[in-house]
Amino acid sequence: QGQLQESGPGLVKPSETLSLTCSVSADSISSRSYYWGWLRQSPGKGLEWIGIISFTGTTFYNPSLKSRLTISRDTSKNDFSLRLSSVTAADTALYYCARYTSTAGFDRWGQGTLVTVSS
Amino acid sequence: DIVMTQAPLSLPVTPGEPASISCWSSQSLLDSDDGNIYLDWYLQKPGQSPQLLIYKLSSRASGVPDRFTGSGSGTDFTLKISRVEAEDVGLYYCMQRKEFPFTFGPGTKVDI
Repeated sequence: QGQLQESGPGLVKPSETLSLTCSVSADSISSRSYYWGWLRQSPGKGLEWIGIISFTGTTFYNPSLKSRLTISRDTSKNDFSLRLSSVTAADTALYYCARYTSTAGFDRWGQGTLVTVSS
Repeated sequence: DIVMTQAPLSLPVTPGEPASISCWSSQSLLDSDDGNIYLDWYLQKPGQSPQLLIYKLSSRASGVPDRFTGSGSGTDFTLKISRVEAEDVGLYYCMQRKEFPFTFGPGTKVDI
């Protein structure tokens, strides 16, 4: 079965940019069958949908994060990325990448990576 | 945004007994174009990532035991476990994907 693996710094300073990458194995991120998404989980806010990117590169963002958010993909590496700018302590969370289908929702998840925003 | 509510937030269960979790949405999750209700259920076992249990109201994801059943209408939804097993403990979340932004319920902690 395909896997997703998040990677990136575990500690980011306030006002800086959080950058994460999700490496996808077995599936092609260019497949018409899938979208690829980011979600996060923090004690204060539970599970939060961040956004998704389609097989064409079209993005759909949570409006609450849209002004700070960029989701992109690298088809040559078969991975996709998250960049969240001007972070604050409220962005401290466990960040997950996941595969999304219009049929079944988020049917495959990465193991998650903890990002702490602190000076 | 569509607000998702769950009850109870904590559910002690007994192995072999049934269990039920309720979820409500602030708007209908029925898509009038295709007739689907875009409500999914996820289980996050301790120390693990969430895993898909039920999609589009009542379809079980691959490998999900048939003791899990999803049901409901446009705004009221239920996840039932016919006979709880020890491996069913964890946090259960409902999620709507009728419209962006997708939103989750607060979660129901099921433990023995």
